[in-house]
Amino acid sequence: SQQGEEDPQALSIQEGENATMNCSYKTSINNLQWYRQNSGRGLVHLILIRSNEREKHSGRLRVTLDTSKKSSSLLITASRAADTASYFCAASGNTPLVFGKGTRLSVIA
Amino acid sequence: NAGVTQTPKFRVLKTGQSMTLLCAQDMNHEYMYWYRQDPGMGLRLIHYSVGEGTTAKGEVPDGYNVSRLKKQNFLLGLESAAPSQTSVYFCASSPPGPANQPQHFGDGTRLSIL
Repeated sequence: SQQGEEDPQALSIQEGENATMNCSYKTSINNLQWYRQNSGRGLVHLILIRSNEREKHSGRLRVTLDTSKKSSSLLITASRAADTASYFCAASGNTPLVFGKGTRLSVIA
Repeated sequence: NAGVTQTPKFRVLKTGQSMTLLCAQDMNHEYMYWYRQDPGMGLRLIHYSVGEGTTAKGEVPDGYNVSRLKKQNFLLGLESAAPSQTSVYFCASSPPGPANQPQHFGDGTRLSIL
């Protein structure tokens, strides 16, 4: 399974701080995707990083990928209360996406 | 542009009853998926479809059936509901590609089996 596993399970920070979430996976991938889920809503795609990329930015999001360590990280800079959500990684290989259990981020105003 | 729409949003069933969850997408996506989300378990793939008339099993297919008679619709059926099927069910769709493309999700159906 290419399952992504996020770490930590939960993270609480103050508004304005940076939040870093990590993801590990087991087998070779062609891309890795990050999603956000607000309470009571469906997942929303945030960013996709291909296996030949090492870093990607989108607004306040920065994603890194280390295929040698089979790991990825999502950094949210200058966090806001609206960033409070669960964040999931999903590793993409030769099977449909398999999602991890997520990191619950709480941003305290 | 509605995206992915799931019907119903909430439902309570008794053990042994049957029901069908409907998913509709208006993005002309080839691929569609059904997941269940349980506390502490993340999302688990039940069934998926790579095109009209096709279906395939995911990680947890037992107790569920699906049909994709039209490209825009993907139905999930529970023939004889069990309490273990109490969950939040999410439908998603994506375009095809050489690799998994980003998925678009509905807002879920919250199903309780008593």
